Amino acid sequence: AQSVTQLGSHVSVSEGALVLLRCNYSSSVPPYLFWYVQYPNQGLQLLLKYTTGATLVKGINGFEAEFKKSETSFHLTKPSAHMSDAAEYFCAVTSLGGGYQKVTFGTGTKLQVIP
Amino acid sequence: DTEVTQTPKHLVMGMTNKKSLKCEQHMGHRAMYWYKQKAKKPPELMFVYSYEKLSINESVPSRFSPECPNSSLLNLHLHALQPEDSALYLCASSQDSGNSFLAKNIQYFGAGTRLSVL
Repeated sequence: AQSVTQLGSHVSVSEGALVLLRCNYSSSVPPYLFWYVQYPNQGLQLLLKYTTGATLVKGINGFEAEFKKSETSFHLTKPSAHMSDAAEYFCAVTSLGGGYQKVTFGTGTKLQVIP
Repeated sequence: DTEVTQTPKHLVMGMTNKKSLKCEQHMGHRAMYWYKQKAKKPPELMFVYSYEKLSINESVPSRFSPECPNSSLLNLHLHALQPEDSALYLCASSQDSGNSFLAKNIQYFGAGTRLSVL
């Protein structure tokens, strides 16, 4: 079974500071990894995904994540936080099961940006 | 266009009411999903439709009844709900690849329906 663990349910950073949200995965096969963002009272929006190929993945809004197989990690980073980045972030891993695509979400990390 | 549209955005209903949630996508996706999300929790899968047929029912109570009238529409019919069913209900869709589904494909989510059961 595949799983993801997000370390830290709440992360606070100052505006302009580095954002680092941690995600570790467990998978017996090469994983497909995603980061989604959820703004208050909104659905989930895809930030970026890793499937194969380049291990450093760039996404929307200046976010990027690096797939590190040796560390089973897929941490999300952004060099400089903006107030608009305040949201809930979910790391996810997908698999096929029962003929459909199954998404396993982490428990989420709420990012607070302090002015 | 990567939009999944859900209506209504908000819904308040009593425990004896019957209501329906609607989800629509025009991306040609052949898999559609209903998720339930409680506050401060990740989404939990409820139902999966693939090629307009119900593939997965994650042990959801019968007071929730899904329907997929065509490849673009997905409904969730609600009847005799309980206050603990209050949550954000999210719809998602993903494409197939050659009549099958791939784990690497993206699920696109709607903005959700915020349901309150009184």
